[in-house]
Amino acid sequence: DTAVSQTPKYLVTQMGNDKSIKCEQNLGHDTMYWYKQDSKKFLKIMFSYNNKELIINETVPNRFSPKSPDKAHLNLHINSLELGDSAVYFCASSQDQTPAFFGQGTRLTVV
Amino acid sequence: QKEVEQNSGPLSVPEGAIASLNCTYSDRGSQSFFWYRQYSGKSPELIMSIYSNGDKEDGRFTAQLNKASQYVSLLIRDSQPSDSATYLCAVNKGSSNTGKLIFGQGTTLQVKP
Repeated sequence: DTAVSQTPKYLVTQMGNDKSIKCEQNLGHDTMYWYKQDSKKFLKIMFSYNNKELIINETVPNRFSPKSPDKAHLNLHINSLELGDSAVYFCASSQDQTPAFFGQGTRLTVV
Repeated sequence: QKEVEQNSGPLSVPEGAIASLNCTYSDRGSQSFFWYRQYSGKSPELIMSIYSNGDKEDGRFTAQLNKASQYVSLLIRDSQPSDSATYLCAVNKGSSNTGKLIFGQGTTLQVKP
């Protein structure tokens, strides 16, 4: 049973397209996160939701929009993709305020 | 100055040795500190958390925190080839546990048989 699952695992798309990444956790956690890991392996928080409420919204372009339909799901929609958006995107969840469980990551490549 | 700094390595140690991974941070008000392990192509995995000055031990892992020096380290005793991975230091920025972790760039550890 996968605790935090993301789909898709790989995503190759052209510049200008719109794409979504889905995340689901079956741990009953209240808090979910989106992190971005760039080519230099820096892991940086983008968003955090607690019980469907946005609590952290870092300085990311407006083209990135998270959506949490319920506390077990946190999706990430990206409009007008750019080359610089290429990275690995990780979803994570926790019961307290520390991301304890990460999904397997979505490797996004924009060409 | 980066908010959380680690030597990117690689740090190479022989099997059975002690691996020492170091991390410094800039926000003196930080209260929570974490170590994550990330195997190549995999997701980060939380392995240690530490909140108070001193040492915290869990199996072969010991985390050490010195808030006065703004320094946190991870010791891995009896290193095994399976410990070869990138170790990410993370600090909860500010004085409250907000979940907003600032990560270092990671130290790559290689344990040679």
